[in-house]
Amino acid sequence: DIVMTQSPLSLPVIPGEPASISCRSSQSLLHSNGYIYLDWYLQKPGLSPQLLIYSGSKRASGVPDRFSGSGSGTDFTLKISRVEAEDVGVYYCMQAVQTPFTFGPGTKVDI
Amino acid sequence: VQLVESGGGLVQPGGSLRLSCVGSGFSLNKYWMHWVRQAPGKGLEWVSRFYSDRSNIDYADSARGRFTISRDDAKNTLYLQMNSLRAEDTAVYYCARALGYQSGESIWGQGTLVTVSS
Repeated sequence: DIVMTQSPLSLPVIPGEPASISCRSSQSLLHSNGYIYLDWYLQKPGLSPQLLIYSGSKRASGVPDRFSGSGSGTDFTLKISRVEAEDVGVYYCMQAVQTPFTFGPGTKVDI
Repeated sequence: VQLVESGGGLVQPGGSLRLSCVGSGFSLNKYWMHWVRQAPGKGLEWVSRFYSDRSNIDYADSARGRFTISRDDAKNTLYLQMNSLRAEDTAVYYCARALGYQSGESIWGQGTLVTVSS
């Protein structure tokens, strides 16, 4: 199974300041078809996860442009250019290049 | 476009439960459909996925042999039959569409809580 790790696991943030989360996989998430199979999800308190970033760097529909994803192979990063109060929650990366799909342990972001 | 799960509840160890996930606004049979669970206070764990037929089904090791995923196209509903339940199966179970798609079409239901306890 592919092991996903994230750092930090806890991230205190200041509104208006940038924030960054790292995600690493034990195997490359670049498929033979040329696509990257790495998603980022945000789970706000009491809610189900919502898609933020897919294919490593593409913003999902309706996601503010302050969120961006980057990376390749085994190292990926989620960046928030200017944190807002509504961004609090737990951020998960997930690999979908092979089953079983696996998630990182989550990064809890709070103000 | 939404997914709504139901069927959770309290069950004794060794018991069975069937979860349902009804889709609206789209056809489930056009997508890979998944079950993902989250134990209380813990992270996300992928459980199973289903596409078109029995040749397109995958399970996590923790589910294989005890859980069965299926779909009823007439009802646009995804199921998860869970047998031989254990305390460690206690979790919120989410139904999700299109995890990992290159088109960014992933959506999740609100989840249903399964508690395995005597």
